Amino acid sequence: GENVEQHPSTLSVQEGDSAVIKCTYSDSASNYFPWYKQELGKRPQLIIDIRSNVGEKKDQRIAVTLNKTAKHFSLHITETQPEDSAVYFCAASHGNSGGSNYKLTFGKGTLLTVNP
Amino acid sequence: SAVISQKPSRDICQRGTSLTIQCQVDSQVTMMFWYRQQPGQSLTLIATANQGSEATYESGFVIDKFPISRPNLTFSTLTVSNMSPEDSSIYLCSAARRITDTQYFGPGTRLTVL
Repeated sequence: GENVEQHPSTLSVQEGDSAVIKCTYSDSASNYFPWYKQELGKRPQLIIDIRSNVGEKKDQRIAVTLNKTAKHFSLHITETQPEDSAVYFCAASHGNSGGSNYKLTFGKGTLLTVNP
Repeated sequence: SAVISQKPSRDICQRGTSLTIQCQVDSQVTMMFWYRQQPGQSLTLIATANQGSEATYESGFVIDKFPISRPNLTFSTLTVSNMSPEDSSIYLCSAARRITDTQYFGPGTRLTVL
């Protein structure tokens, strides 16, 4: 099955700096890569996603890049703010041949702390 | 995005008892899933809840321990049976309108087993 590795496990930055979180996946058939942000005691919330037919996607201060050859994708947050502090999870998925089990495999998460 | 609610939001249960968690979506969705998130850990998929048929369980999870129902396209339940302290965790449901769509999560049910 799919295995998703996520690094670093913790990341501390100063407000205004950039943060980068990296993930690798094992299954070359994976074709959908979402990123979720989870604040303490809250549900995971989708912040950005990318599909395998795209190399990069940007939404304001957040961007995701995908390298299918290397099976590697990254989250980039620019101009970080204290409210960006949370746990970030990457995930990978693909549909099986019957398309009936489009399930997500999550990385272990990165605790991002943005210091004022 | 779909609006997803769960009941109960939290519960404290005795060893050996069972708890049923409900997940309600505000619109019809094709896919519903159940996850477990142990304290400080990532999300682990328990099963895919299939409407009108038996759930599809992931390795390490069995129907006798985690029976799942999905009677229609907006509702699902997960039962945690014969609970032990090791079952203490947050249980989350998620839903996606179509098979290739983004998954959105419910708020979770925080379960403590004494």
